[in-house]
Amino acid sequence: GEDVEQSLFLSVREGDSSVINCTYTDSSSTYLYWYKQEPGAGLQLLTYIFSNMDMKQDQRLTVLLNKKDKHLSLRIADTQTGDSAIYFCAESIGSGGYQKVTFGTGTKLQVIP
Amino acid sequence: DVKVTQSSRYLVKRTGEKVFLECVQDMDHENMFWYRQDPGLGLRLIYFSYDVKMKEKGDIPEGYSVSREKKERFSLILESASTNQTSMYLCASLGGYNEQFFGPGTRLTVL
Repeated sequence: GEDVEQSLFLSVREGDSSVINCTYTDSSSTYLYWYKQEPGAGLQLLTYIFSNMDMKQDQRLTVLLNKKDKHLSLRIADTQTGDSAIYFCAESIGSGGYQKVTFGTGTKLQVIP
Repeated sequence: DVKVTQSSRYLVKRTGEKVFLECVQDMDHENMFWYRQDPGLGLRLIYFSYDVKMKEKGDIPEGYSVSREKKERFSLILESASTNQTSMYLCASLGGYNEQFFGPGTRLTVL
């Protein structure tokens, strides 16, 4: 079955880069996503990458996808205290109609001023 | 902007009570979902619906039911609440790239 794994916790200093990693098991994933959850709130889509892409950049965010190793990463440049949150990796599997989405357990990012 | 709203942010109920959690989306999305989120377990899918009056069980449907009478509204029902259903409940609807738009969540406490 599908499984998405992330480390539980990451601590970085303000201004440094953060790299949050994720591994997944199903090679038939079509889209991979990063979501951000701030305390007491729902999940907010940050970015997504189609499975035939290697990299996607959006302002301070860079997503890298290594399909061979089934590894996805999210790099946040110049990390700010407002980036402190839980970050979820997710993969979408299937074709046509509804595609099943599996979430990782989330990585809590703590930004130290 | 897509908006997904949930009827309550915080809810406290007693064991055995019937509980309704409502979710409404305004983007005419066909697919809607209910998850629960617990520390260390991430998000677990309870039920989803791909059309009005259609529903499918997710990974943990036991103790829950759902209702989708209108496209914009997806309700989660706890027929007889139990303490192990204390959790954060998140509703989502599905966009064109299979990205999910989430509501703010309902933190349910069952005493």
